[in-house]
Amino acid sequence: AQSVTQPDIHITVSEGASLELRCNYSYGATPYLFWYVQSPGQGLQLLLKYFSGDTLVQGIKGFEAEFKRSQSSFNLRKPSVHWSDAAEYFCAVVFDRGSTLGRLYFGRGTQLTVWP
Amino acid sequence: EPEVTQTPSHQVTQMGQEVILRCVPISNHLYFYWYRQILGQKVEFLVSFYNNEISEKSEIFDDQFSVERPDGSNFTLKIRSTKLEDSAMYFCASEVGLAGYNEQFFGPGTRLTVL
Repeated sequence: AQSVTQPDIHITVSEGASLELRCNYSYGATPYLFWYVQSPGQGLQLLLKYFSGDTLVQGIKGFEAEFKRSQSSFNLRKPSVHWSDAAEYFCAVVFDRGSTLGRLYFGRGTQLTVWP
Repeated sequence: EPEVTQTPSHQVTQMGQEVILRCVPISNHLYFYWYRQILGQKVEFLVSFYNNEISEKSEIFDDQFSVERPDGSNFTLKIRSTKLEDSAMYFCASEVGLAGYNEQFFGPGTRLTVL
């Protein structure tokens, strides 16, 4: 069955430290992959996306993600975290565009806390 | 920068009442979506909509739910008889709808509380 897994519910890092948020999916082909961020009281903002091509993608706010087909993973990284990065991060996947619109499947989210 | 807007930001209703959640998608977008997020749970797809028709709906989207685009700008989600378990944050999203896949732009959400 198709699924999206974010194994870490909550991560705490110190400001200036590096960050990696994990995302795995279960699917027989390469899906469309996304990372969204949600700050309290806000909507979902797209950080970056992967459709095809270079497996290392750059996004906004200094984030990047790497698609690894062999591991069915799309992990989000940032070399140096800022206090303003504290938010909830969602990995999302479109498994099969086919003849229907792109239904997004979300992981359960990872809450990021940043210590000063 | 164009954005998706949603009204109201917070709706409180009594169980059994009808609610209509409103969304104004980005003006040149053609694909529209509703998602919901029950507190503490993942964001779940409800329905997608294109060319005045439902394209896909999830198992959550039962006969109590309906969507329409009444006037070419608004995109509404109606829940006919709300239940306690409908309490959630409801997100509208729109997509430009060009060939190939593009990103979905999300609104800020409507928090629905059913008492």
